[in-house]
Amino acid sequence: QKEVEQNSGPLSVPEGAIASLNCTYSDRVSQSFFWYRQYSGKSPELIMSIYSNGDKEDGRFTAQLNKASQYVSLLIRDSQPSDSATYLCAVRVGGTSYGKLTFGQGTILTVHP
Amino acid sequence: DADVTQTPRNRITKTGKRIMLECSQTKGHDRMYWYRQDPGLGLQLIYYSFDVKDINKGEISDGYSVSRQAQAKFSLSLESAIPNQTALYFCATSGRLTDTQYFGPGTRLTVL
Repeated sequence: QKEVEQNSGPLSVPEGAIASLNCTYSDRVSQSFFWYRQYSGKSPELIMSIYSNGDKEDGRFTAQLNKASQYVSLLIRDSQPSDSATYLCAVRVGGTSYGKLTFGQGTILTVHP
Repeated sequence: DADVTQTPRNRITKTGKRIMLECSQTKGHDRMYWYRQDPGLGLQLIYYSFDVKDINKGEISDGYSVSRQAQAKFSLSLESAIPNQTALYFCATSGRLTDTQYFGPGTRLTVL
C-alpha cells in the first residue's frame, strides 16, 4: 500500500461546480497535510495546509481532515477553468522531520466552460 | 528574481554521460530537496539535506548523487545517465521548523 494515495483521475467538472479531490494516507500518526497545485509544465505551489481535524477554508478552497479515517480532501467551490491543473496531496508521515513530505501521485482536474 | 533557481532548464544527453543539475536559493532556508516527477507518479524524493553537513537518501537515490556546496546550493548528479532517468526534476527548499516547501522551476532531462 502506498503511503499517500489520491483518487484516480482525471476529474472533469463544469464551470461553477464543486470539485472534490480526495487523499488517503496509511500512517495513523501523520501530522501535517498539504495540497499543492501544479499547472502543466510548471512547479508545484502550495495552496492549502491543514494540521487538525475538521475544515479549513481559504477563499474558494476548503481542506477537510479526518485523522480517524485517515483522509484529507480538497473542495474547490465555484470551479473556474483557471483551476484546471494537477493537484498533489502531501503528508508528513509520523516520525519524520519537519519538511520531509511524501506526495501522492496527483489528480488531474479539468474545469470545462 | 526567483527565490529558487535551477540550471539548466532543459537538457538532452546520451546514455552513459555524466550530468549535473544545479539548484540555488536566496530564501535563506537550511533544508533542500531533490525530487523526480514522472507522469502519473507524483513527486518522488531522491535526496534531501537539512544542512550543509547533513545529506540523506530519499526513496529513489540509486543512480544519483548530491553535493551541498553551501547553504544556498544543492547539486544533483547522474554519474552515468540512462534512459529511464528521463524525467522532470525539481529542487525545493524549506525552513527549519516548517513543512512548507518552495519549488524551483524544474529541469526537464531527456536521456537518449
